[in-house]
Amino acid sequence: DAKTTQPTSMDCAEGRAANLPCNHSTISGNEYVYWYRQIHSQGPQYIIHGLKNNETNEMASLIITEDRKSSTLILPHATLRDTAVYYCIVRVPLTGGGNKLTFGTGTQLKVEL
Amino acid sequence: DTGVSQNPRHKITKRGQNVTFRCDPISEHNRLYWYRQTLGQGPEFLTYFQNEAQLEKSRLLSDRFSAERPKGSFSTLEIQRTEQGDSAMYLCASSFLQGTAGYTFGSGTRLTVV
Repeated sequence: DAKTTQPTSMDCAEGRAANLPCNHSTISGNEYVYWYRQIHSQGPQYIIHGLKNNETNEMASLIITEDRKSSTLILPHATLRDTAVYYCIVRVPLTGGGNKLTFGTGTQLKVEL
Repeated sequence: DTGVSQNPRHKITKRGQNVTFRCDPISEHNRLYWYRQTLGQGPEFLTYFQNEAQLEKSRLLSDRFSAERPKGSFSTLEIQRTEQGDSAMYLCASSFLQGTAGYTFGSGTRLTVV
């Protein structure tokens, strides 16, 4: 399974952009990058995913480098409620068409006033 | 339908007892996944179903663990003869059959084996 590497923790001031990096140098050509976050005592929440192109939705933007070996999740205007563990994941296909998410230990993002 | 529902939220059991957890996925979702999360770690894949068929199981799923999805709707995860090492958060997720959209996770069942 492709492994991802993320910083253990990051801080961000409220209202500023939070840029969370991820390395996935062993990713294969058809493997997607997914980002989830987990607020304490809750299940992980899907944020965004991409294959080659940059993606944007109502929650965040995902920038994937041209060689696909790294990506950055951008929360454009972080709020206190964005404090969570953020996981960068390479999705692995399973038998029958399903897929597995291999979570690492993620980045603990702390948004402060 | 407000999301993936898991019951109970918390379970404390004595070592050696059997426990069963239930997951109700989003009704339109054909795929259902079970994950386990220990303290300080990310979730780990256990098994998944497509409708009622269990298509893949992780090596983490020992013989004491069994999962079912009898009618392709809700699923149960049973752990027999619980051990202290089974203490963890058990997470259920569901997804559509088609497309690349991410899973929707439930809030999990926290198991404590004493």
